[in-house]
Amino acid sequence: GQSLEQPSEVTAVEGAIVQINCTYQTSGFYGLSWYQQHDGGAPTFLSYNALDGLEETGRFSSFLSRSDSYGYLLLQELQMKDSASYFCAVREEGRGSTLGRLYFGRGTQLTVWP
Amino acid sequence: DTAVSQTPKYLVTQMGNDKSIKCEQNLGHDTMYWYKQDSKKFLKIMFSYNNKELIINETVPNRFSPKSPDKAHLNLHINSLELGDSAVYFCASSQDPGPGEKLFFGSGTQLSVL
Repeated sequence: GQSLEQPSEVTAVEGAIVQINCTYQTSGFYGLSWYQQHDGGAPTFLSYNALDGLEETGRFSSFLSRSDSYGYLLLQELQMKDSASYFCAVREEGRGSTLGRLYFGRGTQLTVWP
Repeated sequence: DTAVSQTPKYLVTQMGNDKSIKCEQNLGHDTMYWYKQDSKKFLKIMFSYNNKELIINETVPNRFSPKSPDKAHLNLHINSLELGDSAVYFCASSQDPGPGEKLFFGSGTQLSVL
């Protein structure tokens, strides 16, 4: 089976740093992805980690620890526009030549206050 | 130019009706998906096509039938609509299905069944 756990809500103020954690259980792990979704909008790809360590892209960084089945998304210098839902996602192991599905967590609603 | 476009944006209909949602991508991607997002924002995969061939078919009622006339289009037809079908349906595409694939989502179709 497949499960991902992430907090349902996180709040912070502008300029702060926030970390959104994701723990997963999966049969066959192929990396952890993060997506952002604003209210009424489409999910958009943020980052992908296949190996342990920190990947930095501007104000956003993503971390993975395969041994701990854990990752996080770090958002720095928060801005009001960062208020959105953030989803972690893992690729499930496929069967034979069949592609495994991309399984999403239930999302973390981030609210940034002025 | 919109990369992944789906129509209509909103769909309000009565129980028992049949409706279709269309999706087109102009990114030249080989793989397309349909995802369903419920009121709690849980994103769940429904179908995946690669080069017009069905590769993922989740446990979805057979009232839902995807059709891919070519690799740039993946339409979703729903028969005998039920109240529980109310959700946002997202089409997505990707170039390289696999662990690190980056999904591009359409803007979603808000389906309301009355």
